[in-house]
Amino acid sequence: GQQVMQIPQYQHVQEGEDFTTYCNSSTTLSNIQWYKQRPGGHPVFLIQLVKSGEVKKQKRLTFQFGEAKKNSSLHITATQTTDVGTYFCDRGGNKLTFGTGTQLKVEL
Amino acid sequence: EPEVTQTPSHQVTQMGQEVILRCVPISNHLYFYWYRQILGQKVEFLVSFYNNEISEKSEIFDDQFSVERPDGSNFTLKIRSTKLEDSAMYFCASGRGRSYEQYFGPGTRLTVT
Repeated sequence: GQQVMQIPQYQHVQEGEDFTTYCNSSTTLSNIQWYKQRPGGHPVFLIQLVKSGEVKKQKRLTFQFGEAKKNSSLHITATQTTDVGTYFCDRGGNKLTFGTGTQLKVEL
Repeated sequence: EPEVTQTPSHQVTQMGQEVILRCVPISNHLYFYWYRQILGQKVEFLVSFYNNEISEKSEIFDDQFSVERPDGSNFTLKIRSTKLEDSAMYFCASGRGRSYEQYFGPGTRLTVT
């Protein structure tokens, strides 16, 4: 399927700083899924957003789905070293396309 | 919590040999997938499987590859004659439905020498 574009590709932050990654699609999405892959690990499902304007929280992670269902964001408050990894958004469907993702590095 | 399991965790094989990678998906899931990740690169889709047949496959999934669900629990990926470039981490995943989230196994690292 058509890929969802994600920015930034890389982000280095100091521990305690906030972090945001954005996904944008030129077409309306029926839903969007977020995954995380730690270095040397496997992709792990984080969340799925379905409704226009939806906001979901998981502890320090806040996920948003745009009103037009063409964009989404993941915001991490007060990053920790355990947040290190690559975050992917995907439109789901019969396969995951794993675009560039955003690689997050957290420095002490 | 149910999880996808994969065996072996690491497989070393010689070029030209056949390998079978095994996966046990989550028990009530209906969709099964194989992905691979070459070291330092992004995860790539190989194949999806539903209702005992391939529902979609990528260009990577050529005639050297096949998948099978030999019984009610296992899902296998066979590479008939391995090449050096098949060296990668192979992830199995499963999901409840076509647009549902996918749950990944820990992967099998395949090294072809």
